Amino acid sequence: DTAVSQTPKYLVTQMGNDKSIKCEQNLGHDTMYWYKQDSKKFLKIMFSYNNKELIINETVPNRFSPKSPDKAHLNLHINSLELGDSAVYFCASSPPHGGIGANVLTFGAGSRLTVL
Amino acid sequence: DQQVKQNSPSLSVQEGRISILNCDYTNSMFDYFLWYKKYPAEGPTFLISISSIKDKNEDGRFTVFLNKSAKHLSLHIVPSQPGDSAVYFCAAMAGTYKYIFGTGTRLKVLA
Repeated sequence: DTAVSQTPKYLVTQMGNDKSIKCEQNLGHDTMYWYKQDSKKFLKIMFSYNNKELIINETVPNRFSPKSPDKAHLNLHINSLELGDSAVYFCASSPPHGGIGANVLTFGAGSRLTVL
Repeated sequence: DQQVKQNSPSLSVQEGRISILNCDYTNSMFDYFLWYKKYPAEGPTFLISISSIKDKNEDGRFTVFLNKSAKHLSLHIVPSQPGDSAVYFCAAMAGTYKYIFGTGTRLKVLA
């Protein structure tokens, strides 16, 4: 039973399209994240939600909109896709701050987005 | 501006020998560090961590050393096994929920 699951695993689309990536965690964690790994292999934080509240919003274009309907889900919607959006997007979650294993991120397997 | 750097993109080691992966950071305010291992087509998985109040943490074959004055940490794997072949990421906590990752070092353990 996968702890952090992302769908789809692969996504190929044309420039200008809108697409979504979904993420769900069954670990009971309070905090969820989206990371982007670009062609240079940097793993960069994009967003973080704690109990459905946005707590980290790095300098990401506003074409990217995260949505957290509940603390177990964090989806990423991307409007007007550009070539530079091609990357692997990782969802992650972490336990409540101060709890056991609090500082450890658990990652999903990643969603590879290719924009043509 | 890379605050966490892994200057060796790759490393090859013979099976049974020690693997040493290095990581440097620039911000002395970082107080918690983690190492993750990543296999192809999978997400990074947590390996070992260390708080800035310690200089060493050991878990089986994996040991992390922290040198705060040099702003340097290293991961030692001994003995190295072929299954350890993966990309290893160093990460630093830059606040309660913010993690900054290095670019990774690809370890290849030769049988």
